[in-house]
Amino acid sequence: GQQLNQSPQSMFIQEGEDVSMNCTSSSIFNTWLWYKQEPGEGPVLLIALYKAGELTSNGRLTAQFGITRKDSFLNISASIPSDVGIYFCAGRSGGGADGLTFGKGTHLIIQP
Amino acid sequence: NAGVTQTPKFQVLKTGQSMTLQCAQDMNHNSMYWYRQDPGMGLRLIYYSASEGTTDKGEVPNGYNVSRLNKREFSLRLESAAPSQTSVYFCASSRQGVSEKLLFGSGTQLSVL
Repeated sequence: GQQLNQSPQSMFIQEGEDVSMNCTSSSIFNTWLWYKQEPGEGPVLLIALYKAGELTSNGRLTAQFGITRKDSFLNISASIPSDVGIYFCAGRSGGGADGLTFGKGTHLIIQP
Repeated sequence: NAGVTQTPKFQVLKTGQSMTLQCAQDMNHNSMYWYRQDPGMGLRLIYYSASEGTTDKGEVPNGYNVSRLNKREFSLRLESAAPSQTSVYFCASSRQGVSEKLLFGSGTQLSVL
């Protein structure tokens, strides 16, 4: 099946720092999404991207759909303690309702 | 509150036992999904139901069965649990045609001893 390579696996940063993470695929996707998961909860959608080159923001979060359609990036500016969690990229390559392919996640830890 | 409700929250089984995980959504969504989450593995699709009356296999369907009981409810059954099925299970739903906008439940943590 399709695989997404997400990096880094984990990040230890100081409050106030900017964060960057990315996701790559060996195949083309026509939709890229970024989810955040907090302990004991299911993932929550942060940003959805539908066009190559698209750049979309949600508050301090900005995500981009790569030009090649094989990658996506998520940036968080001026991190705060509530940004802690696991961030997942996800994508799909076709139409229909067959769900998403998820990356393995980036665990964000913020040190005071 | 509207959303996806999963029961139970936690479950411990012995190898060979059976159980059914329940999921219900009250948003009138057409499509429903079951994922499992293992450490370092992300989320993997077990089964999905694009609409009431249909079910299809996902990436890791072996050892599981599903039932789309009605538009609201989608259950996941383990007939003979194995230690490899120890995982966190998430149910999700979406409107038809927008499967990327999945709304997840809070998960069921299952341990098989």
